[in-house]
Amino acid sequence: DSGVTQTPKHLITATGQRVTLRCSPRSGDLSVYWYQQSLDQGLQFLIQYYNGEERAKGNILERFSAQQFPDLHSELNLSSLELGDSALYFCASSVAGQPTGELFFGEGSRLTVL
Amino acid sequence: DAKTTQPNSMESNEEEPVHLPCNHSTISGTDYIHWYRQLPSQGPEYVIHGLTSNVNNRMASLAIAEDRKSSTLILHRATLRDAAVYYCILSGERNMLTFGGGTRLMVKP
Repeated sequence: DSGVTQTPKHLITATGQRVTLRCSPRSGDLSVYWYQQSLDQGLQFLIQYYNGEERAKGNILERFSAQQFPDLHSELNLSSLELGDSALYFCASSVAGQPTGELFFGEGSRLTVL
Repeated sequence: DAKTTQPNSMESNEEEPVHLPCNHSTISGTDYIHWYRQLPSQGPEYVIHGLTSNVNNRMASLAIAEDRKSSTLILHRATLRDAAVYYCILSGERNMLTFGGGTRLMVKP
């Protein structure tokens, strides 16, 4: 158990819909990272927040957005969903703002878009 | 950001050492070398990381070439539970961890 909690574990929805994925980091960790893992793309970095502020942005689509709340939990919002958005979405956390140390990953949220 | 090159797959026998290579010829002076692994149906798991010197922890050892253009993850005694995809990652100038294809390690009993 990494200490990072992601909900929901599984989610099935239809194209055009909007979903929210939630992540609670390990106690004391200030950074949250979101990754997408699909079969054909591997693990893609989406975005990072540090203590409520956006720190780094990767290959995140404009239809996706994220935020980190004062209690440090984070949400990833995916809208106008397409079939290609079906993937595993992982959240990771770390103490510092830069990943020079260890990232702790959650078990992921599996999104299926039908 | 500098990229890494790893073999797609490797095979090992149980209880034997495993050396997983990684090439990163365009590494910059500030890039850390990270190794993560992903077991089936799980999120990635930190294994080890280093900058210039060799590193050891309870899971593995990391041997970094003197010119830092390559590194090797060493599992001292492979077990069946070590079967996973192993990712070698550089931290990059923006300090993001960008995962590549990794090496799928198969461990034979």
